[in-house]
Amino acid sequence: ETGVTQSPTHLIKTRGQQVTLRCSSQSGHNTVSWYQQALGQGPQFIFQYYREEENGRGNFPPRFSGLQFPNYSSELNVNALELDDSALYLCASTQLGGAPTDTQYFGPGTRLTVL
Amino acid sequence: DAKTTQPTSMDCAEGRAANLPCNHSTISGNEYVYWYRQIHSQGPQYIIHGLKNNETNEMASLIITEDRKSSTLILPHATLRDTAVYYCIVRVLKGSSNTGKLIFGQGTTLQVKP
Repeated sequence: ETGVTQSPTHLIKTRGQQVTLRCSSQSGHNTVSWYQQALGQGPQFIFQYYREEENGRGNFPPRFSGLQFPNYSSELNVNALELDDSALYLCASTQLGGAPTDTQYFGPGTRLTVL
Repeated sequence: DAKTTQPTSMDCAEGRAANLPCNHSTISGNEYVYWYRQIHSQGPQYIIHGLKNNETNEMASLIITEDRKSSTLILPHATLRDTAVYYCIVRVLKGSSNTGKLIFGQGTTLQVKP
């Protein structure tokens, strides 16, 4: 167990809807990264949040947005859902500014299905 | 794109050592080698990382060649619960603008057989 939690576990939405996924980071970690994993593929980096600001972004459109809160928990919001957004969404927490190598620890993921 | 190349799949007999290779011929001097594994539909699990020296922890050993162009993850006594997809990733040290990003390839599917 990494101490990183995500909610909900599973979610079903229809095309065009909006969704919010939540992540609580491991105790002592100040940074959260989000990844999308399509079936049969490796995870792809969406973005990272550090000190409540976006700190790097992958190749995802603006309808993917996020927030980080003062307690370091985070939300991933996806607007105007498309069928291709169906995936496992993973968050990973780490402590930037801590040890020389800031290892990322992953949560169990949220399985999103878009119909 | 991922900077690593791994075999698509491997089999290993239960109780035997599993040796998972990874090529990273374009690795830079400031990049670490990280290994994660992912058991079906769960979040990736951190295993081990290293820069240039061999590393060992309670889960595995990591052997990095002297030229750092390849590495091998060793699970000394594989069990059925080690069946998973294993990802080898190279990433830049903290302090770079890319420290937030892990770039996953397709990984190696390790099947441990009884």
